[in-house]
Amino acid sequence: QKEVEQDPGPLSVPEGAIVSLNCTYSNSAFQYFMWYRQYSRKGPELLMYTYSSGNKEDGRFTAQVDKSSKYISLFIRDSQPSDSATYLCAMKGGGADGLTFGKGTHLIIQP
Amino acid sequence: EPEVTQTPSHQVTQMGQEVILRCVPISNHLYFYWYRQILGQKVEFLVSFYNNEISEKSEIFDDQFSVERPDGSNFTLKIRSTKLEDSAMYFCASTLAGGFTGELFFGEGSRLTVL
Repeated sequence: QKEVEQDPGPLSVPEGAIVSLNCTYSNSAFQYFMWYRQYSRKGPELLMYTYSSGNKEDGRFTAQVDKSSKYISLFIRDSQPSDSATYLCAMKGGGADGLTFGKGTHLIIQP
Repeated sequence: EPEVTQTPSHQVTQMGQEVILRCVPISNHLYFYWYRQILGQKVEFLVSFYNNEISEKSEIFDDQFSVERPDGSNFTLKIRSTKLEDSAMYFCASTLAGGFTGELFFGEGSRLTVL
């Protein structure tokens, strides 16, 4: 079983729609959950960071973590064509261990 | 805005050659990382580095790989004898607090092509 599962898409939605992106994971030691955005041939850019379960909102972005279900989500409201990118979920336990990434969901916002 | 810079942006090398990828982390950051991304695949953790030594490394980071912080600003990844399967994008990342806010800052990457 893969540690982090993420639907690669592509996910295509019209401008202004609410986008829902999700990841599931199997390692119950994960405590820190992140969403990164990656444009083609660029480095990942941190969007949202959450510790343990709960919700976090930042502008048009909302991150949710449900540790009991081992499920995390990213919602994008009022989606814009500039939001078109690959969205990577990532997570880790404590200490200096590295991030475990999902494969990324390719999101396309149609004007 | 401070950023992580990486050089070269693209390197082409022959199998068996040594390659050094260079990174300049954000100046006040203390924890440094290398990740790689093979085309079409996940971003994978290679190694973390703190206080001039390796903190953690993945099973990918075998004896062919080494890291070094030769001075106060650079952080390098060396691949001693490249293989075809080392072709990937290599990302350097840094953070102020390693353990851990999750706020990793990534560079733009160095694309390595092994022929």
